[in-house]
Amino acid sequence: DTGVSQDPRHKITKRGQNVTFRCDPISEHNRLYWYRQTLGQGPEFLTYFQNEAQLEKSRLLSDRFSAERPKGSFSTLEIQRTEQGDSAMYLCASSSHVAGQYFGPGTRLTVT
Amino acid sequence: DQQVKQNSPSLSVQEGRISILNCDYTNSMFDYFLWYKKYPAEGPTFLISISSIKDKNEDGRFTVFLNKSAKHLSLHIVPSQPGDSAVYFCAAMRESGTSYGKLTFGQGTILTVHP
Repeated sequence: DTGVSQDPRHKITKRGQNVTFRCDPISEHNRLYWYRQTLGQGPEFLTYFQNEAQLEKSRLLSDRFSAERPKGSFSTLEIQRTEQGDSAMYLCASSSHVAGQYFGPGTRLTVT
Repeated sequence: DQQVKQNSPSLSVQEGRISILNCDYTNSMFDYFLWYKKYPAEGPTFLISISSIKDKNEDGRFTVFLNKSAKHLSLHIVPSQPGDSAVYFCAAMRESGTSYGKLTFGQGTILTVHP
């Protein structure tokens, strides 16, 4: 088991384009979380899944954002019509219990 | 509305001495607290946690103290090592309810340990 992986690690896109990020959690973890981190701030919660069910979405997740976790395995986060304010590090984490959410390395998005 | 605050953006400590990182929270519904460490270009790594039913938890060089009445927690690292230099995040969550498992993070404290 190699931990949580995210792809791509870096993404540069032009304003208005759509982007999709992928997260592969630790295989036995049934909970998967997405966070966003901007410079000088801590990660902010976006959404989370228990198995394939999306249980909570932050108000930060506007209607341009959508996340899926088909079959309760990997997850994708899509941002439509990107804006410069979407530039951030997008972090995925997984867990099987309360303590110790394991984070991936993140995807750094730059919108030009 | 910053529910978890780390008021010290940075801390500099000599190798071998104690590092104390502080964290305050405002939401009394939080009942589980965690510390994460983050190196550049990596995701946060879980360090240590504490439930609100305890006031102290130790793991090797790391000890977390919780003062519920003051809504304050601290992370002590003794002795500090140069490899501890990183950004440290305090996080809080509820162990039950609809937001179970959702972490609320502080802004982070940059720790630098000098040889």
